[in-house]
Amino acid sequence: KAGVTQTPRYLIKTRGQQVTLSCSPISGHRSVSWYQQTPGQGLQFLFEYFSETQRNKGNFPGRFSGRQFSNSRSEMNVSTLELGDSALYLCASSLGGLYQPQHFGDGTRLSIL
Amino acid sequence: DQQVKQNSPSLSVQEGRISILNCDYTNSMFDYFLWYKKYPAEGPTFLISISSIKDKNEDGRFTVFLNKSAKHLSLHIVPSQPGDSAVYFCAASVEANFGNEKLTFGTGTRLTIIP
Repeated sequence: KAGVTQTPRYLIKTRGQQVTLSCSPISGHRSVSWYQQTPGQGLQFLFEYFSETQRNKGNFPGRFSGRQFSNSRSEMNVSTLELGDSALYLCASSLGGLYQPQHFGDGTRLSIL
Repeated sequence: DQQVKQNSPSLSVQEGRISILNCDYTNSMFDYFLWYKKYPAEGPTFLISISSIKDKNEDGRFTVFLNKSAKHLSLHIVPSQPGDSAVYFCAASVEANFGNEKLTFGTGTRLTIIP
C-alpha cells in the first residue's frame, strides 16, 4: 500500500512570494491534516480536511490556507512568505480524523531567503 | 501555551535496558493520546496509542501508561535496541469532537540507545 506522498521535497523561496505544497494521502483515507515543524516550536497543527471541507483549524494566520480535492489529495498554500515560515511541512492522512493514528509523509522542507 | 510537554529534550539508555519517555499535559479535555517516532529526513511514524478509559496499553516492546489524575503519560520500551534511537513525540487529541479537534504535539525527546 503506497504511503503518503508529499511534493516537492525541498523548496527555496524569497520573502513575499507564495508557495503551494501538495499531498497525496493513502488510498481510502479521507482525512488529511497539515503540520509545521520548527526547531523551537516542535510539531504544530495547521488544519485538517475531510471530504473536501476544512473541519479543524490550528492557530495560524490566514496566510496559511489549504484545500482538498474530490480524490482526497490536498494542497497547502502560504502567501506573503516570511522568514519565520522556514520549516518542515508535514502532511498526514487517516481514515476518520485527528483522534486516529496519523500516517505521515516525509515532508516538504521550505526555506525562505 | 504548551498544552503537551515533554520536559526531557534528550535521553540516553544502554542497549537492552528500559527506556522511559515522559509526557505531561494540561488540558483535561484530552482523551486520546498517541506516541510517534521520527527518524531524520522522514515523517513521524505512529507507535502506540491509549484512550483515557484505559491506564495501560501494550504492543510488543512498547507500553504506554496513562495517569489521568496527574495528567501524565509515559512510554516504556523494553528492551531498548539501537534501532529505537530517534525522536519521540507524544500527542493528544479530543476523540471525535469534530470541529474542535486539534492534534497537539509535545516538543519531542531524542532517544539515543548506546550499544
